[in-house]
Parts: sequence; C-alpha cells; structure tokens
Amino acid sequence: DGGITQSPKYLFRKEGQNVTLSCEQNLNHDAMYWYRQDPGQGLRLIYYSQIVNDFQKGDIAEGYSVSREKKESFPLTVTSAQKNPTAFYLCASSPGHYNEQFFGPGTRLTVL
Amino acid sequence: QQQVKQSPQSLIVQKGGISIINCAYENTAFDYFPWYQQFPGKGPALLIAIRPDVSEKKEGRFTISFNKSAKQFSLHIMDSQPGDSATYFCAASMNPSDSNYQLIWGAGTKLIIKP
Repeated sequence: DGGITQSPKYLFRKEGQNVTLSCEQNLNHDAMYWYRQDPGQGLRLIYYSQIVNDFQKGDIAEGYSVSREKKESFPLTVTSAQKNPTAFYLCASSPGHYNEQFFGPGTRLTVL
Repeated sequence: QQQVKQSPQSLIVQKGGISIINCAYENTAFDYFPWYQQFPGKGPALLIAIRPDVSEKKEGRFTISFNKSAKQFSLHIMDSQPGDSATYFCAASMNPSDSNYQLIWGAGTKLIIKP
C-alpha cells in the first residue's frame, strides 16, 4: 500500500523541549513538504524539499528545522525557539507533475 | 500577486442544494488549480483539479468552473449531501520549472450540509 505516514498522531511537549515529527512516504515522490495548520486556518508552508539533501524555507520556517537524507523521509524538528508551536502539522509529497500533493494524516502537537 | 483569495469563509447549504465556493487570483502565470477536501483531524485530499486550457471540468457531483479573463475559478457541488460537510481549499501553482513545486493555498471554506 503506497502512502504517507506521520508519527506520532498526538505529541505533547514541555516548554523548552525540542521535538521531532516523523514523515515517511513510499510513493517515490521527489518533493516533500511540511505545513502548519491552526484551528480554522489554512495551510502555511514551513519547509519544502525537491530532492535529497536539499530543502528550502517556506513562509514560517523560524523555530523549525528539517533534514532530507533519504528520498522517503523528511522529519521536522520543532525547536524551543518556536514560541507558539501548538498546532496540527501536515506532511505532504508530490511527484512533481502538475504539483499534485498527497497528504499524510497529520500530527497534533500540544505544548504543556 | 502570489495570493489566492477564497470565499466564503463558511457556508451552510440544505441537503440536495448546490454549494458554490469561489477563488480569485492575480498571477497570470498560474497554470494549475486544484481543490482539496479536508475532514476534521485528517489531512487534505485532492478532490478535482483544472488547467486553464478548459473552462469546466466535472467529476461526479463536483464541477470546477474556470474563468481565465476574470482570473477566477469556483467549485460547485451538486446535490450536496451531509457527507460533503468538510473544509474545502482552493490552490494554484505555476509550471513546475518556475515554482519549485509550491502550491499557493486559499484560506479555506467550512461547508456544512444541513439534513
């Protein structure tokens, strides 16, 4: 079964802690993305990557970091520098053709 | 110029009625216009998409109407059902070689279908 998996589904973080959200895809897609969604809001792009070992900042990259060491994996680290990290985080991938994006089920992060 | 403006923010439609959501853009370089559907607690999923070389695309009860001169596109849901209740996002992008594969997203419309 091809798809995108995100883990964990729910994550709780204490203030001052870094946490890493996992995103894995077996769709053989080149491009991968991280979005943040706040209640009642649209999607805001955090980071994206077109190829392995390369990634670009999106609109709200401050306080976040990513890596792309493998085509299948694009983990997102929410650092202590992110002042308001409580949100729903969505990972997506794209084959690059007409830019269709396929989304994972999301991780809901709550800061305690 | 990179924005996609979506309206309305929320919409209530009676079961069996037609739901209409509108989007407008400025950048004439956009050449791909998808609509995504998102249920609470889930990731968005592609519903239907259109390229500017056609004025309308229909898939089942869902139709995209595209007006290139007005730089507007809309989603029509015919015979709306309670199961269509979700948040709908329009988006736009340019040719992949120009856009780094980015989608520009509308703010979303929360649709409620009343039984």
